[in-house]
Amino acid sequence: AQTVTQSQPEMSVQEAETVTLSCTYDTSENNYYLFWYKQPPSRQMILVIRQEAYKQQNATENRFSVNFQKAAKSFSLKISDSQLGDTAMYFCAFMILRVYGNKLVFGAGTILRVKS
Amino acid sequence: NAGVTQTPKFQVLKTGQSMTLQCAQDMNHNSMYWYRQDPGMGLRLIYYSASEGTTDKGEVPNGYNVSRLNKREFSLRLESAAPSQTSVYFCASIRTGERPGANVLTFGAGSRLTVL
Repeated sequence: AQTVTQSQPEMSVQEAETVTLSCTYDTSENNYYLFWYKQPPSRQMILVIRQEAYKQQNATENRFSVNFQKAAKSFSLKISDSQLGDTAMYFCAFMILRVYGNKLVFGAGTILRVKS
Repeated sequence: NAGVTQTPKFQVLKTGQSMTLQCAQDMNHNSMYWYRQDPGMGLRLIYYSASEGTTDKGEVPNGYNVSRLNKREFSLRLESAAPSQTSVYFCASIRTGERPGANVLTFGAGSRLTVL
């Protein structure tokens, strides 16, 4: 079975500093996607960043970047210049691509608090 | 575009009552999903529908039924609600394939269900 592990239940960071959220996953598949989703107090699930497993280059989206280590099955999220609006629950997830029925598997989440 | 719309947003039930959560998407996505979110457990897949006319069990299907009414709509039914089904429920959809924007899960706003 595929699993996703986020080992940090809670983290905090000062505004304008950098923070890294950890994620590891377990799969025997070779073709998959990895995601980070953000869930602010509004409860809405918002896509932060996506990485295709076949791409060696790490994905970046403005202040958000990932460190994708395929051999180690690690997918960490780095948030630079943290802002108060980054306070949220962050979920790591991965999806195996199949001809029939792609399923997204989520980790338990990391609560990030940005302090002023 | 409205994206993914879930109703109701909040519901309180008594043990043994039944109810249906409705979900509709207007993005012409082929696959749809129902997840539940519980503290410390991330999002767990209840049921999914890879395409119109098909449904499959996810990780936690017991106590639930689903109907993929057409390509747009995917409903989740609790036939006899139990306190263990108190949770936040998310509907999501995805377009699979190679086109830009494919293989990214889009979520509804969530439905908070309390079973007394």
